Amino acid sequence: NAGVTQTPKFQVLKTGQSMTLQCAQDMNHEYMSWYRQDPGMGLRLIHYSVGAGITDQGEVPNGYNVSRSTTEDFPLRLLSAAPSQTSVYFCASSETQGSGSPLHFGNGTRLTVT
Amino acid sequence: GDSVTQMEGPVTLSEEAFLTINCTYTATGYPSLFWYVQYPGEGLQLLLKATKADDKGSNKGFEATYRKETTSFHLEKGSVQVSDSAVYFCALSSYSSASKIIFGSGTRLSIRP
Repeated sequence: NAGVTQTPKFQVLKTGQSMTLQCAQDMNHEYMSWYRQDPGMGLRLIHYSVGAGITDQGEVPNGYNVSRSTTEDFPLRLLSAAPSQTSVYFCASSETQGSGSPLHFGNGTRLTVT
Repeated sequence: GDSVTQMEGPVTLSEEAFLTINCTYTATGYPSLFWYVQYPGEGLQLLLKATKADDKGSNKGFEATYRKETTSFHLEKGSVQVSDSAVYFCALSSYSSASKIIFGSGTRLSIRP
């Protein structure tokens, strides 16, 4: 079972470059989300989607864009990378958005912006 | 707004010791509560959950009881192993934050052989 697949695992960018972090799930989950994990700060929600064609902002959306054209895919775009975006990024999905539905996580993308 | 507070780490214990990691929450209504575990180099994975007051979630020897009166969901294990070394996150999901699972800051646990 593939679950949630994130690519790439590691990425180094220069300030001002753009890139897309890929996320795909094969569980037919409605809900998908992107988190960033920084030391001492836990996980912070960047963007989320409750279904194809629907996206919304989380806690720290600035500098990131998302789209959800299919149920399976939820890419995260960095428009103009900044050193403050150095972090580990996790994509997660769940069956529904409702209370009680646990998240399934990918293995993360470690991004360094120089 | 909703929030989760968990004990700061790192926590270092000897093998076979008793483990408690404290977690308290603030939420309106009746949230669902979760513990997630993150092993080195991996994403988070669900360890256990409880969806209503007095429920006990359990998995792999870990337990946590949903205590509404104290707004707590402490994680316990009677005898830890080296393989339990990981970062543990307490989290909640409620109807007031329906599209978002709120995480605590995580507690790093290290077990000495």
